[in-house]
Amino acid sequence: AQTVTQSQPEMSVQEAETVTLSCTYDTSENNYYLFWYKQPPSRQMILVIRQEAYKQQNATENRFSVNFQKAAKSFSLKISDSQLGDTAMYFCAFMKHGWGTGGTSYGKLTFGQGTILTVHP
Amino acid sequence: GAVVSQHPSWVICKSGTSVKIECRSLDFQATTMFWYRQFPKQSLMLMATSNEGSKATYEQGVEKDKFLINHASLTLSTLTVTSAHPEDSSFYICSARKGFPSYEQYFGPGTRLTVT
Repeated sequence: AQTVTQSQPEMSVQEAETVTLSCTYDTSENNYYLFWYKQPPSRQMILVIRQEAYKQQNATENRFSVNFQKAAKSFSLKISDSQLGDTAMYFCAFMKHGWGTGGTSYGKLTFGQGTILTVHP
Repeated sequence: GAVVSQHPSWVICKSGTSVKIECRSLDFQATTMFWYRQFPKQSLMLMATSNEGSKATYEQGVEKDKFLINHASLTLSTLTVTSAHPEDSSFYICSARKGFPSYEQYFGPGTRLTVT
């Protein structure tokens, strides 16, 4: 079974500054996906960024980038130029690679505990 | 884009009654849908995996007779909370996965259930 750990229950940052959210995971799989999701006060889950484990290059999406360390099983999220709209709960998630249905674990997301990020003006 | 809706967004029911929550993929066919439960300021807990045309697969500790899941079509899955009790009050979220080879899940906006 996979586990995902986010050790920072809460973080805060000033607007326009940079913040890094930590995530570690444990798995015996070699092929998998990692995700960061954002859940604002509306509670709608929004995909922020994803990383395929077989890719060495760190994923980036505008102001969001990750530091993926496969050997260390670490997957941190860096938010640059923080904006007030970034205030949300952030979840790191793991998904096994592959396709299957029925009783398989394919497609199942394992979430970390979440980090509440507050951006201050 | 890929849009997933849930209905209702908020429901209040009396203890002992049953309530049904619908999850629809509006612009794609979803062979697999997932149901999650979330308590305030906590993470999402997977309850079950729903595959079109077959029985749902429940996670350990989730009562299948209490949380009935039906995935009758490629765009609709339903979660029925039977004989609801106050401890069932929670936020329920569904997600839908497109067919092969997509791996992304698209989340619904969630349903807040309050049992009085």
